[in-house]
Amino acid sequence: GAGVSQSPSNKVTEKGKDVELRCDPISGHTALYWYRQSLGQGLEFLIYFQGNSAPDKSGLPSDRFSAERTGGSVSTLTIQRTQQEDSAVYLCASSPPRDREQFFGPGTRLTVL
Amino acid sequence: ELKVEQNPLFLSMQEGKNYTIYCNYSTTSDRLYWYRQDPGKSLESLFVLLSNGAVKQEGRLMASLDTKARLSTLHITAAVHDLSATYFCALRTMTGNQFYFGTGTSLTVIP
Repeated sequence: GAGVSQSPSNKVTEKGKDVELRCDPISGHTALYWYRQSLGQGLEFLIYFQGNSAPDKSGLPSDRFSAERTGGSVSTLTIQRTQQEDSAVYLCASSPPRDREQFFGPGTRLTVL
Repeated sequence: ELKVEQNPLFLSMQEGKNYTIYCNYSTTSDRLYWYRQDPGKSLESLFVLLSNGAVKQEGRLMASLDTKARLSTLHITAAVHDLSATYFCALRTMTGNQFYFGTGTSLTVIP
């Protein structure tokens, strides 16, 4: 079956522009996570959605970052007024209803010039 | 502050050798995960360890969990070049939603 998909795969933008990154989780997965991975680094948690519950936004690095999940499925991560330090790979993952492993998407590589 | 520490960070080993990657963490958890990441690729789930003493094996890799010591290990047996990748451990706390990832171990297996 289809895995987690993300779009675009690559995004180059100019400093100060807004960007939207999209994640399509695996059908039936209730949990959705966004992470950021800077070059040569581990994964930094950004935000977590679980069903219809309020999202856990505790990992968002600033108020320029926001995310939403429509209809419990597709999620969009928005970064406003991008800065060069926002350059990273943004990974999305989803999990089935019970406490099991995450399935990761291929990521979006964001470059802010 | 919750910490997940892996060591070594970099590992270069010859084919056929054995080695162990260590993952130490600073909080109570019985949910420990191992992932593999190839260059330019996303993360692939390797093992899910959900109880103290859990041991899982797949091919040349074996993972174990000691919740009392707050330690998980990933043992590589008779390494082959195809195992070259970065390996991450991650834990999920007993009460939280977040997965906390280690910094990763970059493994290079030399033919």
